[in-house]
Amino acid sequence: GQQVMQIPQYQHVQEGEDFTTYCNSSTTLSNIQWYKQRPGGHPVFLIQLVKSGEVKKQKRLTFQFGEAKKNSSLHITATQTTDVGTYFCAGSRSNDYKLSFGAGTTVTVRA
Amino acid sequence: NAGVMQNPRHLVRRRGQEARLRCSPMKGHSHVYWYRQLPEEGLKFMVYLQKENIIDESGMPKERFSAEFPKEGPSILRIQQVVRGDSAAYFCASSGQKHTEAFFGQGTRLTVV
Repeated sequence: GQQVMQIPQYQHVQEGEDFTTYCNSSTTLSNIQWYKQRPGGHPVFLIQLVKSGEVKKQKRLTFQFGEAKKNSSLHITATQTTDVGTYFCAGSRSNDYKLSFGAGTTVTVRA
Repeated sequence: NAGVMQNPRHLVRRRGQEARLRCSPMKGHSHVYWYRQLPEEGLKFMVYLQKENIIDESGMPKERFSAEFPKEGPSILRIQQVVRGDSAAYFCASSGQKHTEAFFGQGTRLTVV
């Protein structure tokens, strides 16, 4: 079945530094979505990527969808304490309704 | 437009009892997903429903678990004869169309004692 994997599982970042989290799928995806979950909270939608090679930016966050539509990345610049949380990628195939989530990257920030 | 509403937020059940989790999707949304999340883990897909139909239940245990999304009223995730291993956060999400963003409810934290 479809598997979505994320690395790293944990990311400890010094405030002000940059980091990247990666998402890889075992199958080609029709789209990929990114969500953020704060501690004790629920996942909140960040963005959706649909096109091969697509890049989208939200302030300090840059999202990329791979050319083969099997991988994606989220890059955060100048990390702030508000970036703390777990970032999930989720993908679905064109012939499948299921949105499969990766295990997430949990980010902690050192002030 | 209220978001996805889940209740109860917290549910405590003794082993062997039944747990009923409710989810009202966003207005106009006909696609409902249920996910289970264990502490420090990701979201595990359980079931996808569209009004009155179960479309994909490949992530749901064959026994004790069932889900429905009636024509009127909320979607229900039902767990019969709960065991300690059922303790988790159960999240419901809804979307307006296939492959569009999913809006999550705040979840139901189930504790089995």
